[in-house]
Amino acid sequence: GENVEQHPSTLSVQEGDSAVIKCTYSDSASNYFPWYKQELGKGPQLIIDIRSNVGEKKDQRIAVTLNKTAKHFSLHITETQPEDSAVYFCAASRVGGFKTIFGAGTRLFVKA
Amino acid sequence: DGGITQSPKYLFRKEGQNVTLSCEQNLNHDAMYWYRQDPGQGLRLIYYSQIVNDFQKGDIAEGYSVSREKKESFPLTVTSAQKNPTAFYLCASTFVASSGANVLTFGAGSRLTVL
Repeated sequence: GENVEQHPSTLSVQEGDSAVIKCTYSDSASNYFPWYKQELGKGPQLIIDIRSNVGEKKDQRIAVTLNKTAKHFSLHITETQPEDSAVYFCAASRVGGFKTIFGAGTRLFVKA
Repeated sequence: DGGITQSPKYLFRKEGQNVTLSCEQNLNHDAMYWYRQDPGQGLRLIYYSQIVNDFQKGDIAEGYSVSREKKESFPLTVTSAQKNPTAFYLCASTFVASSGANVLTFGAGSRLTVL
């Protein structure tokens, strides 16, 4: 079935360093890839997304890259800050579709 | 402020009891969803509804039921048939972004513990 694999499950970085989270999807028809940030006790919030017709998208300190051929996409956070500490989920879906497949999540710790 | 309100935030249930989780949205979104979140796992879809009086099973619908009598409301009942109901439950709705994608907006979640 459709699947999204996400690595690593836990990531610890020093404040100011960069963090990279990688995902692989199985459904070749997927063409929309959102990333969500979930803080403790809260629901996930969309932080950035990318469509398959774009290879890279950037928003301030966060960026997402997509390799359609390899079915890989990654989240890059630069100049990490303690408030970046959270669980991050990647996901894949089809534009116009109603099903979103989520990765298992990455718990990011940013040490001050 | 527009958003999704889930209640209760914490709920304890004895085995064999049904429990209903509330989800209300004032975003005027047509589609609503229920996800289950377990530690170390991604969000798994329980049920979704594209329009009032219509809903479809997700990947893990067994032991759950829903209704969609109003656009704003999509309650989830966890029945005694659900074998392992202890989890964090998330309600969401979607809007269509300029990209054409259905973008999920989540509530704050309800944590159900079965004693």
